[in-house]
Amino acid sequence: QKEVEQDPGPLSVPEGAIVSLNCTYSNSAFQYFMWYRQYSRKGPELLMYTYSSGNKEDGRFTAQVDKSSKYISLFIRDSQPSDSATYLCAICSNDYKLSFGAGTTVTVRA
Amino acid sequence: GAVVSQHPSRVICKSGTSVKIECRSLDFQATTMFWYRQFPKQSLMLMATSNEGSKATYEQGVEKDKFLINHASLTLSTLTVTSAHPEDSSFYICSALGTAGYEQYFGPGTRLTVT
Repeated sequence: QKEVEQDPGPLSVPEGAIVSLNCTYSNSAFQYFMWYRQYSRKGPELLMYTYSSGNKEDGRFTAQVDKSSKYISLFIRDSQPSDSATYLCAICSNDYKLSFGAGTTVTVRA
Repeated sequence: GAVVSQHPSRVICKSGTSVKIECRSLDFQATTMFWYRQFPKQSLMLMATSNEGSKATYEQGVEKDKFLINHASLTLSTLTVTSAHPEDSSFYICSALGTAGYEQYFGPGTRLTVT
């Protein structure tokens, strides 16, 4: 079993829709949770990070963590074609190493 | 803030030669940097952890003599692929540990092609 599971998609939505992404993880020692966006042939860009259960909002993005269920989510409201990318969840343990999900490829149709 | 650069962005080299890739944190100091490689349509695979002033720590299965890492300053880490072969062709990405202590900021990546 992988430490972090993420459905690779692909996911295709119309412009303006809400994009819902999620990951599950197995190791309770994970303490920090991140979402990255990666465009083709580019390095990942950090979107959001959090370390506690609950919601964190930043503009159109909301990250949600449920430590009891070992489940994290990212919601993108009012999605735009420019949001088309691969979204990676990443979870950090005490040694600062990141465990990545497989990445979900999202396409927002104009 | 939290910008990481990599140089070169693309490199093509002949089999048997060595290639050096630089990773710089431009607006913050990073005592810890990481090196990853990524194959097409796959997620990032951690190769090694680079700590300023000390030897790098390599992940299982990564040859330390083939992938030489030097972290000589708080803003620069280098990865040298020695005696490169076509199977080393990949997308190499570095990251730097941010000031909060756990978030990583990634460089734009270096695409290495070995012919």
